[in-house]
Amino acid sequence: AQSVSQHNHHVILSEAASLELGCNYSYGGTVNLFWYVQYPGQHLQLLLKYFSGDPLVKGIKGFEAEFIKSKFSFNLRKPSVQWSDTAEYFCAVNAGAAGNKLTFGGGTRVLVKP
Amino acid sequence: GAGVSQSPSNKVTEKGKDVELRCDPISGHTALYWYRQSLGQGLEFLIYFQGNSAPDKSGLPSDRFSAERTGGSVSTLTIQRTQQEDSAVYLCASSLGGAGGNYGYTFGSGTRLTVV
Repeated sequence: AQSVSQHNHHVILSEAASLELGCNYSYGGTVNLFWYVQYPGQHLQLLLKYFSGDPLVKGIKGFEAEFIKSKFSFNLRKPSVQWSDTAEYFCAVNAGAAGNKLTFGGGTRVLVKP
Repeated sequence: GAGVSQSPSNKVTEKGKDVELRCDPISGHTALYWYRQSLGQGLEFLIYFQGNSAPDKSGLPSDRFSAERTGGSVSTLTIQRTQQEDSAVYLCASSLGGAGGNYGYTFGSGTRLTVV
């Protein structure tokens, strides 16, 4: 069965710092990859997604993620965070053999101090 | 509707009671998913609907959990004889088309279930 690992459970950083959240998955075939974000008190929202093509994908609010197939990774980055980026971030994978569902990582809580 | 609507937003129930959670997906979205988010945990897949049928119900934790979808729209998740470990946020998502993963999901705000 496919699985998704997010290495950091909690991240605390100051405004203007750079952010990188790790995500690794276990599946050897073709995958579709996603990052979702859940701001405090809000529902989960799609941040960005990768299906094919350029492995560096750009999402909303200045976020980007890089798919490295050889490392089974899809790390999320933002060069300079803002206080409003305080949220929980979830990596998710859809693998063809798994049908239609997404498998989510455990999430990373990010706190940006003003 | 404009988004995925879930009701109730909060539910407190006594151990042993049955509960029903409702999800109203985005109009036209044929795929519907239920997930569970426990405190400090990620999202746990429960069941997937394509139209009114459930090709994947592999995530339902026990036979106390069931779900149905009618008219290709509203879905109800029922938990019978609730236990304290059922306490969680139950999330519903819908997606356009059969290959939901390829389109990504639109999530509802969830139902926070507390079993006391």
